[in-house]
Amino acid sequence: AQRVTQPEKLLSVFKGAPVELKCNYSYSGSPELFWYVQYSRQRLQLLLRHISRESIKGFTADLNKGETSFHLKKPFAQEEDSAMYYCALSGSARQLTFGSGTQLTVLP
Amino acid sequence: NAGVTQTPKFRILKIGQSMTLQCTQDMNHNYMYWYRQDPGMGLKLIYYSVGAGITDKGEVPNGYNVSRSTTEDFPLRLELAAPSQTSVYFCASSYSTGTLEGYTFGSGTRLTVV
Repeated sequence: AQRVTQPEKLLSVFKGAPVELKCNYSYSGSPELFWYVQYSRQRLQLLLRHISRESIKGFTADLNKGETSFHLKKPFAQEEDSAMYYCALSGSARQLTFGSGTQLTVLP
Repeated sequence: NAGVTQTPKFRILKIGQSMTLQCTQDMNHNYMYWYRQDPGMGLKLIYYSVGAGITDKGEVPNGYNVSRSTTEDFPLRLELAAPSQTSVYFCASSYSTGTLEGYTFGSGTRLTVV
């Protein structure tokens, strides 16, 4: 079975501070991992995917297979980053399994 | 670009009533999905479809039914609404199975069963 765990339901940081949203997964094969974001009153949208090794809106995420983690990081948080963030895994079933989400609040 | 369109946006149902949540996509995606989003629980997959005429159960299918008569439409049917079905429902679609492009989500339907 595949599982995604986001241990923090709520996370608050001050503007300009670094932020890290944790994501751990359980999957026996080679996973494909994603971060999705949902801004207030907007639909869920793809933020980034591990296979692209990209940086979107200053966010990066590195897949650590040894620790089975895919933490999302940004060195300097902005108020507009406040949103709900979901980590998701696509495994052999070829469906996305989502974590429970982390509500990030960036304080002025 | 309309993307994924869900209707209605909000609905209140009485226990035992039935309703259909509509989902339409105009991207010619083969794969479509229905998720429910409960507070603190993330998104749970209800049903999915890999193409017209093909549907399969997800993690939480009980109390729901789907059909996929066309590539564009993937309605979700609640036959006998129960308070446990109070949730926000999201429809999504993808060209493939979540790789590369990821999923495109609708704006959601907030359903309350009283």
